[in-house]
Amino acid sequence: GNSVTQMEGPVTLSEEAFLTINCTYTATGYPSLFWYVQYPGEGLQLLLKATKADDKGSNKGFEATYRKETTSFHLEKGSVQVSDSAVYFCALRTGGFKTIFGAGTRLFVKA
Amino acid sequence: GAGVSQTPSNKVTEKGKYVELRCDPISGHTALYWYRQSLGQGPEFLIYFQGTGAADDSGLPNDRFFAVRPEGSVSTLKIQRTERGDSAVYLCASSSQENTEAFFGQGTRLTVV
Repeated sequence: GNSVTQMEGPVTLSEEAFLTINCTYTATGYPSLFWYVQYPGEGLQLLLKATKADDKGSNKGFEATYRKETTSFHLEKGSVQVSDSAVYFCALRTGGFKTIFGAGTRLFVKA
Repeated sequence: GAGVSQTPSNKVTEKGKYVELRCDPISGHTALYWYRQSLGQGPEFLIYFQGTGAADDSGLPNDRFFAVRPEGSVSTLKIQRTERGDSAVYLCASSSQENTEAFFGQGTRLTVV
């Protein structure tokens, strides 16, 4: 079946450090891939997405590239800020509507 | 309101009781989704509505769980004979069409004691 595996947290970084959160997936067909973010006290928000192989999604300085050959969609940011502290979820969607989420990775950024 | 609204935000109930969780989607959104998020896990799909009908309810864990959307707008998730294992955050999301971005509410935290 379809599934998403992402690195376990928490991840703790100092401000301006480089961030990578690994995500790999298993899917039949050609899924769309997503990163969602959940800030403290807020609902899930779509951060970025990619719908086909080699697409790069980007938003708010974050980016992720859809790698079909390695079935990966790693999230990166060159310089994190304290305000980036949140839980990040990698997700995939096939067939139009059902989105499958990873377990989430909590990020703490220290000033 | 502008976003997806879920009420109540918190619900504590005794084991064996019946609960209803409400979701008000974004106005005009035809697709509505329910997810369940247990502590330390990602959201798990429960059911999807397109308009008034449940297009896919394959994620509902058992027949104690039921959801309705009678007028194609507000949806209610109903849980009968609640069990402690039902404790989780129940998330609702809506989108304008099947394949477009889904917007999530802040969830209802259900605690069964």
